[in-house]
Amino acid sequence: DAGVTQSPTHLIKTRGQQVTLRCSPISGHKSVSWYQQVLGQGPQFIFQYYEKEERGRGNFPDRFSARQFPNYSSELNVNALLLGDSALYLCATGENGDSPLHFGNGTRLTVT
Amino acid sequence: KQEVTQIPAALSVPEGENLVLNCSFTDSAIYNLQWFRQDPGKGLTSLLLIQSSQREQTSGRLNASLDKSSGRSTLYIAASQPGDSATYLCAVPSGGSNYKLTFGKGTLLTVNP
Repeated sequence: DAGVTQSPTHLIKTRGQQVTLRCSPISGHKSVSWYQQVLGQGPQFIFQYYEKEERGRGNFPDRFSARQFPNYSSELNVNALLLGDSALYLCATGENGDSPLHFGNGTRLTVT
Repeated sequence: KQEVTQIPAALSVPEGENLVLNCSFTDSAIYNLQWFRQDPGKGLTSLLLIQSSQREQTSGRLNASLDKSSGRSTLYIAASQPGDSATYLCAVPSGGSNYKLTFGKGTLLTVNP
């Protein structure tokens, strides 16, 4: 079975632009969580979606939003990009809303 | 607020050496702790998950221990190999939710041939 897949792998955007990152879960997994990892730091929780609803949110501004589709894939959107949004964005999926997470390889976002 | 600290931040050892990575957390009301491996620019690979009712977990050359009362966990790597070179992260659930993990900053391990 394929693992968690994220696209694109790398992305370069300009300050003020908007970006959409995508995540496909492992087959049978219904929850998707998003994390931001700034260079030299551990990942930080952004939010989780389960059964297409947001179940929890970390300390991130409203510029960050996401949605989950009927096939349980997810998109993360970030508006009005700032230089500080440059990071590795990790998607993690689980069988249900509270099962251990399986991480993808991430999308490296660079904001210039 | 849960905080996770990992010591040392970086470690360089010769091949074959046994080593210990440390993780401490401030809120002992956790129900599991997980160790991950991260290769440069890559995602996270789960190595070991220890439930709060367990004191240790083993997988091959890896052994992780958990002492909830003192807020500490250790990851022991036996007979290290160059392929073990990576960043090792520990994480605990926050707010009783497995999906909301609080991570340490990691230990960057380099095993020299």
